[in-house]
Amino acid sequence: GEDVEQSLFLSVREGDSSVINCTYTDSSSTYLYWYKQEPGAGLQLLTYIFSNMDMKQDQRLTVLLNKKDKHLSLRIADTQTGDSAIYFCAEIALDSSYKLIFGSGTRLLVRP
Amino acid sequence: GAVVSQHPSRVICKSGTSVKIECRSLDFQATTMFWYRQFPKKSLMLMATSNEGSKATYEQGVEKDKFLINHASLTLSTLTVTSAHPEDSSFYICSARDREGVIQYFGAGTRLSVL
Repeated sequence: GEDVEQSLFLSVREGDSSVINCTYTDSSSTYLYWYKQEPGAGLQLLTYIFSNMDMKQDQRLTVLLNKKDKHLSLRIADTQTGDSAIYFCAEIALDSSYKLIFGSGTRLLVRP
Repeated sequence: GAVVSQHPSRVICKSGTSVKIECRSLDFQATTMFWYRQFPKKSLMLMATSNEGSKATYEQGVEKDKFLINHASLTLSTLTVTSAHPEDSSFYICSARDREGVIQYFGAGTRLSVL
């Protein structure tokens, strides 16, 4: 079955770029997502990419997809303290259930 | 983006009582909604898939008689935690799938504390 893995923690200085990495196991066409969760809140969809794309950029966010290595990354440019949160990578199930398979989440800490 | 409203945001109840949590899609019709449970510092665990007009599909290990799901309309799904016990204390989050099926929008979550 599908599996999604992420590193657990990342600490960066304010103003630097952050890169959060994710690996997935499904080899078929799929959608991949990045969600942000602030403390005590639900999940906010940041961006998503279809597996036939290599890159997607939206303001400070850049998603890179290496389909050969099944590696997805989220780059946040000019990281701000407000970006401190947990970032979840997710993949959609290929069956008709449309379930999301989540990674464990990466806690991003932005130091002033 | 689309908006999903979840209510209440926080509930404290006594052991043995039942608690109902509502999930509404405010500006779109959601034929499918999902209910998740999240433990502290952990990822989301899918509990069940709620389909409008039909029975919910529960994940393995989730007691359907304990966690009752009703999806009576295209904009509302409810999760009732029956006879709640302290071990049911958790953060419950719902999501709604858009019509195209590829995006899930999440509610703000409900923090349940059972005393």
